[in-house]
Amino acid sequence: DQQVKQNSPSLSVQEGRISILNCDYTNSMFDYFLWYKKYPAEGPTFLISISSIKDKNEDGRFTVFLNKSAKHLSLHIVPSQPGDSAVYFCAATYNTGNQFYFGTGTSLTVIP
Amino acid sequence: ETGVTQTPRHLVMGMTNKKSLKCEQHLGHNAMYWYKQSAKKPLELMFVYNFKEQTENNSVPSRFSPECPNSSHLFLHLHTLQPEDSALYLCASSRDVSSYEQYFGPGTRLTVT
Repeated sequence: DQQVKQNSPSLSVQEGRISILNCDYTNSMFDYFLWYKKYPAEGPTFLISISSIKDKNEDGRFTVFLNKSAKHLSLHIVPSQPGDSAVYFCAATYNTGNQFYFGTGTSLTVIP
Repeated sequence: ETGVTQTPRHLVMGMTNKKSLKCEQHLGHNAMYWYKQSAKKPLELMFVYNFKEQTENNSVPSRFSPECPNSSHLFLHLHTLQPEDSALYLCASSRDVSSYEQYFGPGTRLTVT
């Protein structure tokens, strides 16, 4: 049973606009969440993370929002750039972080 | 070489073959991980090593046998695999198991015929 879900397999956005990628989770024990970005033929690379004690974390064009009551997190990219075109995975963990649970990914295409 | 490297990048093997996947990290990390990614499924954690000691084995069949001779190298020995084992196998490392940020290799695309 998947504990982390990304229900949108793909998303297309015009360059300069906002990209919003969503992620839902079922396990209320999760206390740390991460977003990874993956280009074809490369491994995922860490993008941004958030602890459950926060509801927002920002790093440049990337902002992650966490809504614990809804068990939902989202990644906002603004403005979107063609180089942002990639597959984005959200992941969650709890306690020591030994176990990570990943979503199936959302493929973002930013159209120039 | 920098980061996390994996060899081979592609592997085709028969069900009776024995092969090994290799992972090497050049980041000075102490924890290493094997993940499996099957088509349209999320990454599944297989094994975790911390300071060369296995700390997690997520009910992985014994036809997958990990080996961690030192903190920089991780192997996945494969024998008598099934076609459903065809997947992308990703290696990752982190400073230690309490560090949330993992660094991934490019993966080995395995096809079992």
